[in-house]
Amino acid sequence: DIQMTQSPSILSASVGDRVTITCRASKSVSTWLAWYQQKPGQAPKLLVYQASILESGVSSRFSGSGSRTEFTLTISSLQSDDFATYYCQHYNSSPYSFGQGTKLEIK
Amino acid sequence: QVQLVQSGAEVKKPGASVTISCRTSGYTFTNFYMHWVRQAPGQGLEWMGIINPSGGSASIAQQFQGRVAMTRDAATSTFYMELTSLKSDDTAIFYCARDKSDNYPQAHYFFDAWGQGTLVTVSS
Repeated sequence: DIQMTQSPSILSASVGDRVTITCRASKSVSTWLAWYQQKPGQAPKLLVYQASILESGVSSRFSGSGSRTEFTLTISSLQSDDFATYYCQHYNSSPYSFGQGTKLEIK
Repeated sequence: QVQLVQSGAEVKKPGASVTISCRTSGYTFTNFYMHWVRQAPGQGLEWMGIINPSGGSASIAQQFQGRVAMTRDAATSTFYMELTSLKSDDTAIFYCARDKSDNYPQAHYFFDAWGQGTLVTVSS
């Protein structure tokens, strides 16, 4: 099974900051990698898939990059609505596992 | 618009079974696979399996095999997930999540629409 590890687990930032979350896979997943945002009490929301393709309707402040085992999600110019937990998920092979999450907090 | 509406919260005793429904609307039911995802309280997300909307065949993650059944009713555009032999550590929110692929029968195994979640509490 492929293990997904996100860093950091908690990230404190301010409105207007640029932040980057990293996701590492235990073996190559090519670019079969998605990112989700989850707010308290809500279901996750798809942000990015195939490592760098922005889901329709998602703000262009979000961007994804990477391949094989290392991936990043970058949020440029944080807005108050962006404070949430972010998860990466590979879909290279079953089981399609998620990272443990990165909680983005207001500094 | 695409909507996935799940059944309400459940409280079950250890050893019991639970069935959660996911009623879909706003898209062609038979064109999109459906997945189920578990989230323990304050924890991360765990993929449970996928069901084919046409024919109803399912592929279950190994750790849930033998305890999970996924079915669907095309007449009502509804998916079901049954989890048996419940344990206290099955206490979680369960989500149905639609596969992103609109190129049936290909599945992508990531998720572009989610139900609101169903909390299952297992307690004696």
